[in-house]
Amino acid sequence: QKEVEQNSGPLSVPEGAIASLNCTYSDRVSQSFFWYRQYSGKSPELIMSIYSNGDKEDGRFTAQLNKASQYVSLLIRDSQPSDSATYLCAVTSGNTPLVFGKGTRLSVIA
Amino acid sequence: EAGVVQSPRYKIIEKKQPVAFWCNPISGHNTLYWYRQNLGQGPELLIRYENEEAVDDSQLPKDRFSAERLKGVDSTLKIQPAELGDSAVYLCASTRPPAETQYFGPGTRLLVL
Repeated sequence: QKEVEQNSGPLSVPEGAIASLNCTYSDRVSQSFFWYRQYSGKSPELIMSIYSNGDKEDGRFTAQLNKASQYVSLLIRDSQPSDSATYLCAVTSGNTPLVFGKGTRLSVIA
Repeated sequence: EAGVVQSPRYKIIEKKQPVAFWCNPISGHNTLYWYRQNLGQGPELLIRYENEEAVDDSQLPKDRFSAERLKGVDSTLKIQPAELGDSAVYLCASTRPPAETQYFGPGTRLLVL
């Protein structure tokens, strides 16, 4: 059973701080990693994708991947109240279905 | 570009009743997914279509769930009869290989009483 683990939170950070969201996965052959943001009552929307070890930056978001440790993280710099949402980590090996974690609920306090 | 369209957005039914959900994917996206998302959980795949062919339906409870994508575009997911435990959000997503990014529709919130 392929598993993706996330701390359900809530993770509370003050406005302007860095929010760090973590995810571990069980399938060693996983190749593609995604972070989705889901506002309450809305559908998931893609924030970042990462495929190789290291960091990938996009605006205030940085995804970090360490395949040896089977670990992927998302950093949100200068957190804003509008970043308050549930962040879903999703993993696939390419030929297998996308497996989602349960999500981490982030609350940015103004 | 129009996004993934789903209807209805909300549905309340009594247990043992049938229900159907409809999805229209993004134009040109030949891969379509149906997911179920329970409260506090991530989406779980029910079925994946490549064009009109169901290539992964291993998680679809086939005793009561069925799906079709007759012309490789729109898709319908049906539950008959519905049970209390079927209350969830049913999400449709699409993508165009080789891209792996899935785009989600707004979902259908089902409440079974």
